[in-house]
Amino acid sequence: GESVGLHLPTLSVQEGDNSIINCAYSNSASDYFIWYKQESGKGPQFIIDIRSNMDKRQGQRVTVLLNKTVKHLSLQIAATQPGDSAVYFCAEIPNQAGTALIFGKGTTLSVSS
Amino acid sequence: DTGVSQNPRHKITKRGQNVTFRCDPISEHNRLYWYRQTLGQGPEFLTYFQNEAQLEKSRLLSDRFSAERPKGSFSTLEIQRTEQGDSAMYLCASSLEFTGSSYNEQFFGPGTRLTVL
Repeated sequence: GESVGLHLPTLSVQEGDNSIINCAYSNSASDYFIWYKQESGKGPQFIIDIRSNMDKRQGQRVTVLLNKTVKHLSLQIAATQPGDSAVYFCAEIPNQAGTALIFGKGTTLSVSS
Repeated sequence: DTGVSQNPRHKITKRGQNVTFRCDPISEHNRLYWYRQTLGQGPEFLTYFQNEAQLEKSRLLSDRFSAERPKGSFSTLEIQRTEQGDSAMYLCASSLEFTGSSYNEQFFGPGTRLTVL
């Protein structure tokens, strides 16, 4: 599968490959971390979240890993499909009141068939 | 469609004019958020309401911006004396109240794209 160690603005993969998108977050006190997918002309769409007391969470074809030591978050997409092409953002909730989402830099995923 | 809706979807205005956007959240959601997104960037938080009360405002929300949610349902965002730097996508989101034990997803609307000439 295709992966990136540091955040890159774009990632191109072949259909069927696994994709790994990375994100660095800023606030060590943040309690929740969320991945959103944004397709062209649409608002962000929730993919998966993970709480700070976990280091891994799995969903349907997606896995989120959290490394609090280095403040790093990753999203793994298994068997990437053309419909996965979009911009992916990580976000953190920096306070216990659970209000504003603080978004990181996006990664544009392009899937070719 | 029971998702978050925003109107208008696109707005073109001349510098100095006032504009107002509307957001209709998911009906049972008591929290409503406004974000701004410029090209190539992630959304930036502007403000949020719990029911009709505006509980938090970002420093990005200058005094030319005002948001209301008078009956705790729909919300409006007004920008007075628009500037070219206000050109962006304005996104609205809604959620249930945060309980602390789990994340209550913020559901986003399609946004209103503002172009200030």
